[in-house]
Amino acid sequence: EAGVAQSPRYKIIEKRQSVAFWCNPISGHATLYWYQQILGQGPKLLIQFQNNGVVDDSQLPKDRFSAERLKGVDSTLKIQPAKLEDSAVYLCASSLAPEKLFFGSGTQLSVL
Amino acid sequence: DQQVKQNSPSLSVQEGRISILNCDYTNSMFDYFLWYKKYPAEGPTFLISISSIKDKNEDGRFTVFLNKSAKHLSLHIVPSQPGDSAVYFCAAVATGTASKLTFGTGTRLQVTL
Repeated sequence: EAGVAQSPRYKIIEKRQSVAFWCNPISGHATLYWYQQILGQGPKLLIQFQNNGVVDDSQLPKDRFSAERLKGVDSTLKIQPAKLEDSAVYLCASSLAPEKLFFGSGTQLSVL
Repeated sequence: DQQVKQNSPSLSVQEGRISILNCDYTNSMFDYFLWYKKYPAEGPTFLISISSIKDKNEDGRFTVFLNKSAKHLSLHIVPSQPGDSAVYFCAAVATGTASKLTFGTGTRLQVTL
């Protein structure tokens, strides 16, 4: 069974630039999550989708972050404009059961 | 507000010995707890979980203990192996609600030869 696919693996940008991350969840998983993991911290939920609807985006900085999940499958997370404090690993996860998440390898973002 | 706390950022254990990783939580609504393991440059992978109706769950070398009165859980790895060297995250959730999975800050385990 293929796992959660994410791209790119690494991204380096300058502050105020924009960046987008892509995620393809495990086939059949209706729930998709985007987490932000800052160095030395645990993953923090940014947004949760159920099919193509948003379940929870309470911790998404909506002035600069946006996410969509068209057709209830793939998802993209965008940051525009990026700030230095956005440097982190962005993890996508999917699940059938709400507790057991399957994570992708993440995108490591460095904002200079 | 850190609802799930892992107070030991790192732990070093000799191969063959027991590794004990600890986790404390503050939210009494949490009723399901999980441990995830993360290798460098990879996403976290599910390791073991426990429901609040139990006080112990075992899976091979891994055992999770839950003390609800103390709001404390621990992960025991016996015997520890070099391949267990990774970052371990404790996570908790209040099932049946719209609550999200809350992660601790992680403990880096190094198993030495």
